Amino acid sequence: AQSVTQLDSHVSVSEGTPVLLRCNYSSSYSPSLFWYVQHPNKGLQLLLKYTSAATLVKGINGFEAEFKKSETSFHLTKPSAHMSDAAEYFCVVTLYNFNKFYFGSGTKLNVKP
Amino acid sequence: DAGITQSPRHKVTETGTPVTLRCHQTENHRYMYWYRQDPGHGLRLIHYSYGVKDTDKGEVSDGYSVSRSKTEDFLLTLESATSSQTSVYFCAISGISGETYNEQFFGPGTRLTVL
Repeated sequence: AQSVTQLDSHVSVSEGTPVLLRCNYSSSYSPSLFWYVQHPNKGLQLLLKYTSAATLVKGINGFEAEFKKSETSFHLTKPSAHMSDAAEYFCVVTLYNFNKFYFGSGTKLNVKP
Repeated sequence: DAGITQSPRHKVTETGTPVTLRCHQTENHRYMYWYRQDPGHGLRLIHYSYGVKDTDKGEVSDGYSVSRSKTEDFLLTLESATSSQTSVYFCAISGISGETYNEQFFGPGTRLTVL
């Protein structure tokens, strides 16, 4: 069975400080992993994806994530938060060569001036 | 942006009435999905399709049916709407290249209110 756990439902940071959004997954097989961002009243936009190539994945807007198989984690980071990063972030897992995507419950990121 | 649209974008309806939401894509992707989004639950899969006339249930399929008669259209029907189906509904598409499943692309969402 596959599942995704986002460890924090809300994260609050100050502008210019680092961002860490945590995601753990469980999967019996080699997974593909994704982070999506959703701004208020908008659809979901892909930030980055891991598909068994490099374990450190760089995405848009300065975000990156590291796949750690031993820890079954795929945490999202950004060195310096910007006000425009305030949004909800979803970690998603799917199996290699499979067609269902499993979503975490989301982490709302608040960025304080 | 991926060519994926949803209609209507907003709908208010009454309990017991049937409702159909439409998802249309211009990407010729094989897979199409319907999700609902509710606070604290993330996105939950209702139904998905892996080809024309090929569909399967997701985790919250009760009270919903789907149809896909063409590659580009995926319809979600609430057979008799209930207040618990008030939600935001998202359609998504994905394709494959080689043996790797690509990411999903999402539509803009449909906000449905059942009174």
